[in-house]
Amino acid sequence: NAGVTQTPKFQVLKTGQSMTLQCAQDMNHEYMSWYRQDPGMGLRLIHYSVGAGITDQGEVPNGYNVSRSTTEDFPLRLLSAAPSQTSVYFCASSQTGGAAVLWTEAFFGQGTRLTVV
Amino acid sequence: QQQVKQSPQSLIVQKGGISIINCAYENTAFDYFPWYQQFPGKGPALLIAIRPDVSEKKEGRFTISFNKSAKQFSLHIMDSQPGDSATYFCAATGTSGSRLTFGEGTQLTVNP
Repeated sequence: NAGVTQTPKFQVLKTGQSMTLQCAQDMNHEYMSWYRQDPGMGLRLIHYSVGAGITDQGEVPNGYNVSRSTTEDFPLRLLSAAPSQTSVYFCASSQTGGAAVLWTEAFFGQGTRLTVV
Repeated sequence: QQQVKQSPQSLIVQKGGISIINCAYENTAFDYFPWYQQFPGKGPALLIAIRPDVSEKKEGRFTISFNKSAKQFSLHIMDSQPGDSATYFCAATGTSGSRLTFGEGTQLTVNP
């Protein structure tokens, strides 16, 4: 049971390049999300998904795209990288069952440290 | 707009001392308040959590105190140890269940 796996761990991009950050979970969780972590700003939600085929924007979605074709995978795409996207990115997953289910623990991956030059 | 505000930004305590981290929230729809612990190079991991129908929750050396009327909650680490040195994040979520709003984080250093 690997939990939440993110790849790559480190990446350097040039401005304007595109790339995909991969996230996979093996816990059959319905809910998956992407956060970025910047010094002094905590973790901010980029995009999230409540199940396969369903995605929505979080607090800071500009410059990022997501899709959810399977329960296990939730990739994050940077279409044209900018220096402002230099950050540490975390993927998280949790079980959710709607309003009838109490909040459940979110499990985080190890992170991807992205530098855009 | 930071819906969950956390202080202090950094904290240094001596081994055996008490570490206290405070958070305040604005959105009254929040109904679950977890604390996450993050070590360097790792992802955050759930430490302890509380719902607003109780004023305190204790797990080992870690205690959450919750003041619903003031919209504040805090983490107390008793008998702090060097192994507790990490970044701590408070968070909040509503009945949607999983969308977490995080505080800015507190970097705790416990000196031996």
